[in-house]
Amino acid sequence: GESVGLHLPTLSVQEGDNSIINCAYSNSASDYFIWYKQESGKGPQFIIDIRSNMDKRQGQRVTVLLNKTVKHLSLQIAATQPGDSAVYFCAESGGYALNFGKGTSLLVTP
Amino acid sequence: DSGVTQTPKHLITATGQRVTLRCSPRSGDLSVYWYQQSLDQGLQFLIQYYNGEERAKGNILERFSAQQFPDLHSELNLSSLELGDSALYFCASSVATHSGANVLTFGAGSRLTVL
Repeated sequence: GESVGLHLPTLSVQEGDNSIINCAYSNSASDYFIWYKQESGKGPQFIIDIRSNMDKRQGQRVTVLLNKTVKHLSLQIAATQPGDSAVYFCAESGGYALNFGKGTSLLVTP
Repeated sequence: DSGVTQTPKHLITATGQRVTLRCSPRSGDLSVYWYQQSLDQGLQFLIQYYNGEERAKGNILERFSAQQFPDLHSELNLSSLELGDSALYFCASSVATHSGANVLTFGAGSRLTVL
């Protein structure tokens, strides 16, 4: 069936480096995609979204890239900080609700 | 504080029991969503309500039910609980961004432990 999945379950980066979190999706009919960040003990928090007619969108220290040809989504975090340590989810629009991938755990080391 | 309020934060109960989880959406949001998060299944969509009416159903078991009241708060009822129902249950409400994306704002969750 249709699904959203993540390439890597865990990612460890050094403080100050750039992080890239990847996501594959299979529903080519999705109108938009959203990245969420979930810190321990908290609910998922919106980071950035991108519509399906866009290739790239930038926010504060984050960039989302969408490659519709290979159905791939990535989240780039510049100058990763300890506060970026969390689980990151990509989600795709699926009718009325969002369909979430299983998440990538990002660990920022000093 | 996301503006979405969930109670209780933690709940411990026994198999076979019934519990009710409560959610108040952000002010102005008409849609409420319920998600279940477990270690092996990630975030699974259960059900959505819009202005009191059920709008979409996901992987919600027949033992589970929900409703949204006129004041827009929602309750998720879980009955005949099993060990496998132990999970985090999140409520979210939605608002569209300027790009038109239906962004969900999540509450802090209710952690259910079934013993």
